[in-house]
Parts: sequence; C-alpha cells; structure tokens
Amino acid sequence: RKEVEQDPGPFNVPEGATVAFNCTYSNSASQSFFWYRQDCRKEPKLLMSVYSSGNEDGRFTAQLNRASQYISLLIRDSKLSDSATYLCVVSQGNKLVFGAGTILRVKS
Amino acid sequence: GAVVSQHPSWVICKSGTSVKIECRSLDFQATTMFWYRQFPKQSLMLMATSNEGSKATYEQGVEKDKFLINHASLTLSTLTVTSAHPEDSSFYICSASKGMISNQPQHFGDGTRLSIL
Repeated sequence: RKEVEQDPGPFNVPEGATVAFNCTYSNSASQSFFWYRQDCRKEPKLLMSVYSSGNEDGRFTAQLNRASQYISLLIRDSKLSDSATYLCVVSQGNKLVFGAGTILRVKS
Repeated sequence: GAVVSQHPSWVICKSGTSVKIECRSLDFQATTMFWYRQFPKQSLMLMATSNEGSKATYEQGVEKDKFLINHASLTLSTLTVTSAHPEDSSFYICSASKGMISNQPQHFGDGTRLSIL
C-alpha cells in the first residue's frame, strides 16, 4: 500500500466549476500536511498547508481529518490556470512523503 | 524570486558518463537539503537527505555508491550520478528549507532532467 494515495485523475472540468480532490495517508504518525502544485516538467510549489480546523486561501479550501487519515482540497470557480497536478504531501519526521498527484484540466 | 537554484536543468549524455548536479540555497543557510527523483507519472521519491559536514542519509533501495552526495557548505549540495545508465534517466529535484520540515515550506530547485542514451 502506498504511503500517500491519491486518485490520479485526470479531472476534466469546465471553467467556473468546483472540483474536490481527496487523499489518504497510511502513517498515523504523520505530523504536517500540505498540498503542492506541480506544472508539467516543473518543480512542485507549495499551494497551502492543511490544518485540522480547515483553512481557506481564496478559492482554495483544505481540510484534514486525522481520525480518518484523510486530506481534501476544494477548488472553487476553477480557472484555466489551475490546470496542473496537485500533490498531497505529508511530513514524517524530517521527511516529506509525496502522493503521485491528481491531474486537473480546466477547459474553456 | 528563486531561493533554491539547481544546475544544470537538462543533461543528455552517453551511458557510462558521470553527471554532477548542484543545488544551492541562495539567500539562506541550509544544514539539510533533500534529493528526490521523479519518474513519469509517479510521485517524487526521496533518495537521500544531505547533511552539511556529514554523510548523507540514503533511503532504502538507493545505492550510495551510485548516487554520491556532497554537502560541503551551508549553501551547496551536489548529487553525482556515477556511471549513469538509461534506467537512471529521470527528473532529479533538490529542496531545502529554512527550518524544520514540519513547519517551514520546502523550496525546490527547478529540477534536472537527465536523459542517458
């Protein structure tokens, strides 16, 4: 079983749509949680950290459920520029463990 | 602007060549840097943790004699892929943070795309 599992997608959505990604992690000792964005052939970039209380940054909302070991990302009012691969990432000790990513394609 | 610089961004070379990749933190000191490898449509896999002034810590399954890591200063770590073969072709990325990984964002280099013919 992978340490961090994500639906690979792709999610093909029209502009303006709301889309949600889910992620599960296997190690209950994971300490911190993040969503990164990776564009094709580029390095990952931090999108947002994820907290149990839930956090929002503009059109993006992230949620963590430690009991279920589940992380989510909600994107509202999708833009063409949101097209990318979204990586679910957890920290374990002094390491980051990456999911394989979920591909989002926003189309006009 | 970029806070971690990685060089070169693209390498194409013959089988058997050794390739050195540099990772520099530009405006902060990084006692720890990380080296990842990413194959197409797969997740970033941590190869090793590079520690300034000491030996790198390699992940299970990563050959330390194949992937030589040197972290000689607080701003520079190098990864050398020795005697590279086609199966070593991949996207190699380094990262560093200004503090603990759990509460400081990781800054990634632009990555190095290695193609071994």
